[in-house]
Amino acid sequence: GNSVTQMEGPVTLSEEAFLTINCTYTATGYPSLFWYVQYPGEGLQLLLKATKADDKGSNKGFEATYRKETTSFHLEKGSVQVSDSAVYFCALIRDTGKLIFGQGTTLQVKP
Amino acid sequence: DTEVTQTPKHLVMGMTNKKSLKCEQHMGHRAMYWYKQKAKKPPELMFVYSYEKLSINESVPSRFSPECPNSSLLNLHLHALQPEDSALYLCASSQGTSSTYFGPGTRLLVL
Repeated sequence: GNSVTQMEGPVTLSEEAFLTINCTYTATGYPSLFWYVQYPGEGLQLLLKATKADDKGSNKGFEATYRKETTSFHLEKGSVQVSDSAVYFCALIRDTGKLIFGQGTTLQVKP
Repeated sequence: DTEVTQTPKHLVMGMTNKKSLKCEQHMGHRAMYWYKQKAKKPPELMFVYSYEKLSINESVPSRFSPECPNSSLLNLHLHALQPEDSALYLCASSQGTSSTYFGPGTRLLVL
């Protein structure tokens, strides 16, 4: 079946540190992959996406590359800010449009 | 414009009440979704509407009744809910399996 696994959180970093949040997936075929971010008290915002192998999605300094060989879609940012503190969800999409989410990773950035 | 709007933002209801959640999008998307999110968990799919027809019901109890009056609107009618139904209810829309956009959610408390 289809599933997404994210690294356990919370992840606590100092401002300007390098961020990696690991995400691996199991899927039939090659679904599009997404990262969503959820700030406290808000809905989910689409952060970036990749639709095929070796695609790199990027937005607001965040990047993730669709790796078919390792079935991974790790999220990276070179220098995090306090304002990046949020919950990050990795997800894949099925043919029905249903999103399959990982369990979410909480990021806390301290000044 | 990638906006999905939801009303109300907050809702408190008793177990005998009837209430409705409303969602609207003007992106021309033909798929609309209801997700339920409990605290510190990823969203879980409830219903999918495709071209204004219900295409997926993820075994949701009948006390939740979705409705799609037209291609831009999605409602969720609530009746005789239980305290365990308290959650954040998220509406979303997409064009097929391309990017899915979420609304800010309705935070529901059932007393």
